[in-house]
Order: sequence, then C-alpha cells, then structure tokens
Amino acid sequence: GAVVSQHPSWVICKSGTSVKIECRSLDFQATTMFWYRQFPKQSLMLMATSNEGSKATYEQGVEKDKFLINHASLTLSTLTVTSAHPEDSSFYICSARDRLGPTDTQYFGPGTRLTVL
Amino acid sequence: SQKIEQNSEALNIQEGKTATLTCNYTNYSPAYLQWYRQDPGRGPVFLLLIRENEKEKRKERLKVTFDTTLKQSLFHITASQPADSATYLCALGGYQKVTFGIGTKLQVIP
Repeated sequence: GAVVSQHPSWVICKSGTSVKIECRSLDFQATTMFWYRQFPKQSLMLMATSNEGSKATYEQGVEKDKFLINHASLTLSTLTVTSAHPEDSSFYICSARDRLGPTDTQYFGPGTRLTVL
Repeated sequence: SQKIEQNSEALNIQEGKTATLTCNYTNYSPAYLQWYRQDPGRGPVFLLLIRENEKEKRKERLKVTFDTTLKQSLFHITASQPADSATYLCALGGYQKVTFGIGTKLQVIP
C-alpha cells in the first residue's frame, strides 16, 4: 500500500516552454502533498506544501508564479514549471501524506527528471 | 539557522560488517527523526522513524539511535549486503515540515 506515482518520469523541453508534472496517490487519499527539488549531490529541498482545495504554501525563495501548484483532488497534485529555463533542470519529487495515517509519515513518488535545453 | 550534517563522503564497507552512518544537527529541536534510502534517479524510501523521547529503534537489520543531548542520530545496518548500497538520508521532522540532510553514500563491497 501507500504508493505514490509521478508522471512523467523524465521530460526534456525547450527553454521558455511550460512543463506539467503530476503526482498521484494510488491507494490512499492525500489531503497534503509536498513538492521537493533535488540538484545533483544536494539534499531534497522543499519547494511547497499543497493542501487539497486550498492554495499552496511556498517556501522562501520559491517563486509561486513560476512553479504553479494545483491540488484539486484528494489523489492528485500537479506542479507546472512555467517558462522553464536551463537552471530549472532538476529532479522533482513529490510526497503525500495519508489522510487517515500518522501526520509524521509521508510517501514519496519516484521523481521526475526535468531537463531544459 | 538549522543545519543537518551527514558525512557526504562515501562510506565503503566490507560485506557482512556493520555500517554506521551519522547525522548531526544544530539549531533544531525535532519532534522526530527519520532515515530514508535513496537509489540513483529514484525518490526516497522510508526506513525508520524515531521520536524525540525514544533512544533506539530497530527493524530487522536496521537500528537507529537518537541522542537529543548530543543532537545526533546513528544509523546502523548489520550484516551488510551489496544490495544495501545506496544513499541514506537523515530527515528531521517538526510540525508539518521535514528537512533533509544531504545523505551519505554507502557502498558495500562483496
């Protein structure tokens, strides 16, 4: 149980285009989902926390107009990187907290590798 | 500011031995501490959670200790196997948020 999927697993796009990444909880309902970014040889950095039906809370230094997050249902959150640039190339990972589970447990997706040319 | 330190250099260990990884933190009073395994190009996989009022937790070949006075956690893998080779992340948890360390890469040599 407690499986989180991400789609796509990798994406290559041209500079200036927008890319949407989906995060789904497959066998549980997630009121809270988290989006992280990980650069090579660095730790996971929390970008934003999204709660179903409300606006996401962004971490300091993360541009909310560039990284659009939508959490429209209890099983789906999306991250859209708008007007992507090469410096946005990174590994994006989502995680989800089970609505009925302990608040200190989150389940991670497999990640999405974004490469912006 | 909060800081989590893990030995970012790789740890090489002979198969069958016990691997010990260290996580130190400063300017933080976490409610709990977690250890994750991350393989290249993959998301983290949860291994163990230990709370601030617990000293030690075990799960199969894994053991975690948590010393809130020293602000340190030790993660042990006994009878290590080549399949244990991965990067291990320490994460500190508080209200709503979890903060990750950079991880330690473990290589178990056959």
